[in-house]
Order: sequence, then C-alpha cells, then structure tokens
Amino acid sequence: DTEVTQTPKHLVMGMTNKKSLKCEQHMGHRAMYWYKQKAKKPPELMFVYSYEKLSINESVPSRFSPECPNSSLLNLHLHALQPEDSALYLCASSHYNSGSRTDTQYFGPGTRLTVL
Amino acid sequence: GENVEQHPSTLSVQEGDSAVIKCTYSDSASNYFPWYKQELGKGPQLIIDIRSNVGEKKDQRIAVTLNKTAKHFSLHITETQPEDSAVYFCAALSSGTYKYIFGTGTRLKVLA
Repeated sequence: DTEVTQTPKHLVMGMTNKKSLKCEQHMGHRAMYWYKQKAKKPPELMFVYSYEKLSINESVPSRFSPECPNSSLLNLHLHALQPEDSALYLCASSHYNSGSRTDTQYFGPGTRLTVL
Repeated sequence: GENVEQHPSTLSVQEGDSAVIKCTYSDSASNYFPWYKQELGKGPQLIIDIRSNVGEKKDQRIAVTLNKTAKHFSLHITETQPEDSAVYFCAALSSGTYKYIFGTGTRLKVLA
C-alpha cells in the first residue's frame, strides 16, 4: 500500500482565518514533505520532516507553520494567508535513508486551497 | 543551480501510437530519476523510476531510459490509450538530499 491521505480535499478561507491541513500515511515512512503547486507548474518543496523533526524549510513565510505530531501525521497550519497563497497543497512521504537519503516520494491527492 | 529541462511541453498523439518525453538534468550528482503522472485535480502518481546504475527499465507499456554521459532520461509510452492523457513530470534527485528537481511538465493528450 502506497497511500498518503490528505484532508480536507477543498478549503476556502479568508485572509484573517486560521485553518489546518492534515496528512497521514501508514507506510512506516520517516520522511514527510509539504509541497505547494500552482496551476500548470511542478510542485515546489516547502518543508521536509525526518523522524518528526524539521529538516528543511525552503524559506517559506511564517504564515505557514508545519507540525509533525507523530511518525504518521503531518499538519500544515495556516494563518493570515494572502490570495496568492491559493494553490494545491500536496503532502508526500518516503523512507529515510541516513546515508543516501534518496528514496521514492509518494504523494497524496492534495488540498485545493482558495484564499479570498 | 540545478535544473531539469523537460520537452515537449505539450504532446498530442493518436490512440495506439507511442509517446516520448525527454528530460535533461544539470547536476552530475543526480542518481535517482522518477516519473510522475498527474491527472486533473489529483496528486502526482509515481509511474516508473530509474536509478543511475541502470540504463533502462520497463513496466508493461511504460519504459524509461537513462544516458548518464549525456545527462538525459526519457519516458516511453507505447500503445497509448485515452486514459494516458495527463500531465507528466520528470524529476532528478541527488544522493544525500531530499529535494526533487522537477521538470516543467508535459501535457499529453491521447486522441481517440
């Protein structure tokens, strides 16, 4: 099973709202990722967690706040977003190899976010 | 910085014909090359991948070839079907990193 689940599927929020995106996997993967994807563009890496610790933050604005409460769950907390933050937000997971780190990333279906 | 060029950006083929998408990478340390298919409104789905110690890999109608000297790799789809219509992304990953370098995507349309 290579399933990553994400909720909600769609989210509409105002610029003053606080909301959270959720991601879950049960493949035993210890690396989890958040990506942002704009229309007709490839996914852009935002954050990487390995063993529940933040490993990479790709200079993402602080209005996006990731959280990894355990090895299966990944959250993305949203606050004071801008209309240009509207996009498809994708979660992915992979095995973590302390040597090469290289491994296949499996993506969830995404959350379509609209900021009004 | 590292980049991956992907061509063509759009590709239309008749059902039953073959489709080929090519990617060229810049980082010689890249050693893993996945291909993803993304249908409208869905997340990217891994369809095939290849590691740098292999020149070719095949899975039914899909194959990937890698030329490390020229730093390019290609996706080949034979006997295309309408359900193959989607956007395809190539990516390259270097050992010791997490960050995929994605190509810009190819929109494939298979005409019935």
